[in-house]
Amino acid sequence: DAGVTQSPTHLIKTRGQQVTLRCSPKSGHDTVSWYQQALGQGPQFIFQYYEEEERQRGNFPDRFSGHQFPNYSSELNVNALLLGDSALYLCASSKQDNEQFFGPGTRLTVL
Amino acid sequence: KQEVTQIPAALSVPEGENLVLNCSFTDSAIYNLQWFRQDPGKGLTSLLLIQSSQREQTSGRLNASLDKSSGRSTLYIAASQPGDSATYLCAVAGGSYIPTFGRGTSLIVHP
Repeated sequence: DAGVTQSPTHLIKTRGQQVTLRCSPKSGHDTVSWYQQALGQGPQFIFQYYEEEERQRGNFPDRFSGHQFPNYSSELNVNALLLGDSALYLCASSKQDNEQFFGPGTRLTVL
Repeated sequence: KQEVTQIPAALSVPEGENLVLNCSFTDSAIYNLQWFRQDPGKGLTSLLLIQSSQREQTSGRLNASLDKSSGRSTLYIAASQPGDSATYLCAVAGGSYIPTFGRGTSLIVHP
């Protein structure tokens, strides 16, 4: 079992661009959650997907959107990038509301 | 809104010491509490998960306790080793099952 995987590992973008991050959940998991972790901070919840629908959302603007596919994998899209979007983006998967397992993260740098 | 505080923010100790990391939370109506380890720039590794009905969990040299009434949890690390150097994060999940994270305790164990 490969666990939760994320791609890419690192990404550099410029302000105003758009970015897509990808996550494959652990085998047997059907729920994917996304988190943003700024340097020196704890992860902040962005949103959660279950049955291809956004089930819960944290305090993030509409520039942050997502998608879940029938195979339970998920994408996080961020439009109109700002310098403040630079962070480690973490994906976590779970079997519905059970324990979440985290991936290695994608480091996004916005210049 | 749940708030999670971790004390101390940073800790530097010689190898072999027994350590206590503290986590406090404001809303005692929790579903579970989890301790994670994070190495620099990496994802989260789950160390211990304590369900709301439990008082403590143990894994090897690690022991975590939970006192819901006082809104506190402690992570005890016995006989610390240089390999324990990392950031330790506390996360509290409530009725939404989405964890709220503290900012972490950065631990350095020097030989």
